[in-house]
Amino acid sequence: SAVISQKPSRDICQRGTSLTIQCQVDSQVTMMFWYRQQPGQSLTLIATANQGSEATYESGFVIDKFPISRPNLTFSTLTVSNMSPEDSSIYLCSVAGLEGGTDTQYFGPGTRLTVL
Amino acid sequence: QQQVKQSPQSLIVQKGGIPIINCAYENTAFDYFPWYQQFPGKGPALLIAIRPDVSEKKEGRFTISFNKSAKQFSLHIMDSQPGDSATYFCAAASGRNQFYFGTGTSLTVIP
Repeated sequence: SAVISQKPSRDICQRGTSLTIQCQVDSQVTMMFWYRQQPGQSLTLIATANQGSEATYESGFVIDKFPISRPNLTFSTLTVSNMSPEDSSIYLCSVAGLEGGTDTQYFGPGTRLTVL
Repeated sequence: QQQVKQSPQSLIVQKGGIPIINCAYENTAFDYFPWYQQFPGKGPALLIAIRPDVSEKKEGRFTISFNKSAKQFSLHIMDSQPGDSATYFCAAASGRNQFYFGTGTSLTVIP
């Protein structure tokens, strides 16, 4: 499985500001994903980030609020823009990989965001 | 619409007990069913997974039981230990970018 790191691991931000979260993988991967996990909740897919193309956003998430970059096959960023307290969540990146010959997803450690 | 329904929401067992977490799905296109384990402050870690061509898979103390006709699958943890205390998520997938997660089960194993 891939080794995935995220920066920052946590942050406390003021309302109206923006935060960029970085996701670094130790091997080249075609597909990377960004999820949001609100306290005590399940994982909600924000968008799929493919290298060399625009990210694909899920219903309820828009590029102006969550711009994503994917400059190469090992790195991606997610920006949470114009933050409000409702954006307080854990943000997770994941990558597509293989487990026993089957497509699966592996997750990074997450970024815990608190918006005041 | 919740694609995968998971129960119970929380579970408390004594050390050595066998907690069972259940998941159900509707979409017959799903062909991969992983379980993830998440400790506080960590990301979900792939624990064990099954494909619908088998009815059971064991890895150490963790077992997945799969009932294709009922569209249900469950995680059993044998001889549970306090270190197994975590949140467990089931998922159903039909391709690398079509993962749907359950709502999670918070497991507490009491020493």
